[in-house]
Amino acid sequence: GAGVSQSPRYKVAKRGQDVALRCDPISGHVSLFWYQQALGQGPEFLTYFQNEAQLDKSGLPSDRFFAERPEGSVSTLKIQRTQQEDSAVYLCASSLLRGRYEQYFGPGTRLTVT
Amino acid sequence: ELKVEQNPLFLSMQEGKNYTIYCNYSTTSDRLYWYRQDPGKSLESLFVLLSNGAVKQEGRLMASLDTKARLSTLHITAAVHDLSATYFCAAASGAGSYQLTFGKGTKLSVIP
Repeated sequence: GAGVSQSPRYKVAKRGQDVALRCDPISGHVSLFWYQQALGQGPEFLTYFQNEAQLDKSGLPSDRFFAERPEGSVSTLKIQRTQQEDSAVYLCASSLLRGRYEQYFGPGTRLTVT
Repeated sequence: ELKVEQNPLFLSMQEGKNYTIYCNYSTTSDRLYWYRQDPGKSLESLFVLLSNGAVKQEGRLMASLDTKARLSTLHITAAVHDLSATYFCAAASGAGSYQLTFGKGTKLSVIP
């Protein structure tokens, strides 16, 4: 079946631009996660949704980062006024039920801020 | 705050040899994951370990968990080139145990 999909796969933004990254989780998966993976590092947790509710946003690095999942399926991670330190791969993951279940990762969006 | 440390970070091994990757975590965690990542690709789930003493095997890879020592190992038996990748361990934390904290990864290169 279809896995987690993300778009775009690559995004180049000039410093100061706003970007929006999309995640389509596996159909029927209740939980959705965003992670940030810097070059040569492990992924770091950003935020967690259960259905449309954002239950944890403790990992968002600044108030320039905003995530939503208005209908409990597709999610968008928005970064305002991008900075060079935002350059990373942004991974989305979903899990079937509440967050204690296995997380399935999408291919990621590689963001480069110039 | 949960911290996860892997070692080694880089591993070059010859085909046919055995080796072990170690994953230490700093506070209690009830789930330990191992993932594989190929260059430019996403994370592929290898193992989920749920209890002390858990051991899981898939092909040439075997993972184990010692919750008392807060240690998980990924053992590679008779390595082949196809195993070349970066391997991450991750421990679950957070009030609902949903937040994964990852190690920095072990980049494995298997040389013919």
